[in-house]
Amino acid sequence: GAVVSQHPSWVICKSGTSVKIECRSLDFQATTMFWYRQFPKQSLMLMATSNEGSKATYEQGVEKDKFLINHASLTLSTLTVTSAHPEDSSFYICSASGRSEHQPQHFGDGTRLSIL
Amino acid sequence: QKEVEQDPGPLSVPEGAIVSLNCTYSNSAFQYFMWYRQYSRKGPELLMYTYSSGNKEDGRFTAQVDKSSKYISLFIRDSQPSDSATYLCAMQRPDSWGKLQFGAGTQVVVTP
Repeated sequence: GAVVSQHPSWVICKSGTSVKIECRSLDFQATTMFWYRQFPKQSLMLMATSNEGSKATYEQGVEKDKFLINHASLTLSTLTVTSAHPEDSSFYICSASGRSEHQPQHFGDGTRLSIL
Repeated sequence: QKEVEQDPGPLSVPEGAIVSLNCTYSNSAFQYFMWYRQYSRKGPELLMYTYSSGNKEDGRFTAQVDKSSKYISLFIRDSQPSDSATYLCAMQRPDSWGKLQFGAGTQVVVTP
């Protein structure tokens, strides 16, 4: 099946630093990648959708300047949490879907972000 | 009312039993239906993907879609302790590709 790799799996950093999370599709070309946030015992909340080579589309209430998304190639998207604060601590998950119409999303294993 | 309703459980079953999960939805525009399995501190793993009414079988898993009743199900036969996880239903509309609407997720515990 389709493989999506997400790195790092866990990061702890001080308040005020910026953190970059990478999402790679390993065995298919991902025209569209998605970034989600998940709180404990809750379902996934879509943050933004990115298409290769174009600007990301953010969901209502998600700060564009706080969560910078880059989708520079068909296999890589990055999420940068800028000037992170404790309230940004969460589980961030990416997903990707391929070129063919109506392909389902395949998810990475998530990144646990802890801001001290 | 939520667009997708899913009982959060927990659902506890003995090993070897059939696990029965379901979701109901209110928007008839949903045409694509998925079931994901999520282990603790991991990303969701795609189990089943369907886009028509009827049954789809893959190993121990069977997915059912009843569009007339706006009801989808997932059955897991011969359940194993390793099936203990949270199961998420998800669906989307053709005109809103990528915007998955998730259920709340059902926590399943298979006891040895």
